[in-house]
Amino acid sequence: GAVVSQHPSRVICKSGTSVKIECRSLDFQATTMFWYRQFPKQSLMLMATSNEGSKATYEQGVEKDKFLINHASLTLSTLTVTSAHPEDSSFYICSAPRAGGSTDTQYFGPGTRLTVL
Amino acid sequence: AQKVTQAQTEISVVEKEDVTLDCVYETRDTTYYLFWYKQPPSGELVFLIRRNSFDEQNEISGRYSWNFQKSTSSFNFTITASQVVDSAVYFCALSEAGYMVGAQKLVFGQGTRLTINP
Repeated sequence: GAVVSQHPSRVICKSGTSVKIECRSLDFQATTMFWYRQFPKQSLMLMATSNEGSKATYEQGVEKDKFLINHASLTLSTLTVTSAHPEDSSFYICSAPRAGGSTDTQYFGPGTRLTVL
Repeated sequence: AQKVTQAQTEISVVEKEDVTLDCVYETRDTTYYLFWYKQPPSGELVFLIRRNSFDEQNEISGRYSWNFQKSTSSFNFTITASQVVDSAVYFCALSEAGYMVGAQKLVFGQGTRLTINP
């Protein structure tokens, strides 16, 4: 079953509004979570690393004031797209590392499709 | 800097054919991890395999097999006797080594869209 959940799965909003996306690790704790963005028919690009108890680490070119990340607990990270514009429309995916011996890896959430009108 | 190249943007084959997806990577790290993920139309990435840089053994899992060649910096993925359900976008990814395998950021290739026709 799923080990990482995301909510909402789809969101449509008007330009200028803010949208919050939640990422939860299920049945395990994650001090680190990752946020990726994927444009249609393109690859995943890392936006930022979410760290529980400290500030997020943003990749070069990602506006930290526009994409607010809060790692509120060991199982929850949120991404808020502030003052969203049509160019922010994308598929946002979070992931969390889970230790499991030979299979420990990053597990991905199902993604959130954001459409800004 | 790390880089992953999947030169095949799209592949289309007829069911039951074998198909190989290529992945070439660049890294200055001596220890690193390589991954393959499958992204079906639903969008959720499915973990397929992880390979450590110090382990060059090839691996087979059912119809799936992986060929890791450190000398050519390649980590190719072969599907034998392909099925329509294998249709998806497949991503190869690379991360540096760390205290925990999944705790480092992943660098993804561009992805290969595989279509299996009945």
